[in-house]
Amino acid sequence: EVQLVESGGGLVKPGGSLRLSCAASGFTFSPYSMNWVRQAPGKGLEWVSSISSSSNYIYYADSVKGRFTISRDNAKNSLYLQMNSLRAEDTAVYYCARPSNSGSNGAFDIWGQGTMVTVSS
Amino acid sequence: AIQMTQSPSSLSASVGDRVTITCRASQGIRNDLGWYQQKPGKAPKLLIFAASSLQSGVPSRFSGSGSGTDFTLTISSLQPEDFATYYCLQDYNYPRTFGQGTKVEIK
Repeated sequence: EVQLVESGGGLVKPGGSLRLSCAASGFTFSPYSMNWVRQAPGKGLEWVSSISSSSNYIYYADSVKGRFTISRDNAKNSLYLQMNSLRAEDTAVYYCARPSNSGSNGAFDIWGQGTMVTVSS
Repeated sequence: AIQMTQSPSSLSASVGDRVTITCRASQGIRNDLGWYQQKPGKAPKLLIFAASSLQSGVPSRFSGSGSGTDFTLTISSLQPEDFATYYCLQDYNYPRTFGQGTKVEIK
């Protein structure tokens, strides 16, 4: 079964750090770009970051640029999001998502179940 | 960044109704648009990719149309399991941007 499983969420104080992980299984991870998408409580979806298959191309939303770092380890079939200088407005469910085609980063057909990050004192 | 303006933000409809949701891009995005359905507490689910292509396993009552700046998601005959929130997402360039969402509620 094709699957993405996020982990690493939790409660952190403002200014703190957290590292999210996304474990991929059931498909060949290395050819796919990967993405992080978040959703604040009661709000809509917000794209956070994308990384190409070999990590050559990385993109961030302005809201997280300079604070978050996306990375991947193809040998471990894993995607990561290092989140520093966290703010209350970063409170959200964080999803990792895979595009449907390995050759591009188009529509996201596989999503994880999400991991909750709460930033509060 | 490309802005995706989705409308309406919510609608009430009955089972069997035809429902139309629109997304307008602030600049042309060819057909690089997907539609997603999200139910409470669940991850989004891809319904339509490349503006009009039905994702495998998605019922044929869902359809998408449009190109350039104006896009439409249509549910031809609303079913009880279709009550959810729907989002468009442009994958034309970065930053990727979602529409604000349309909540489809039971009338």
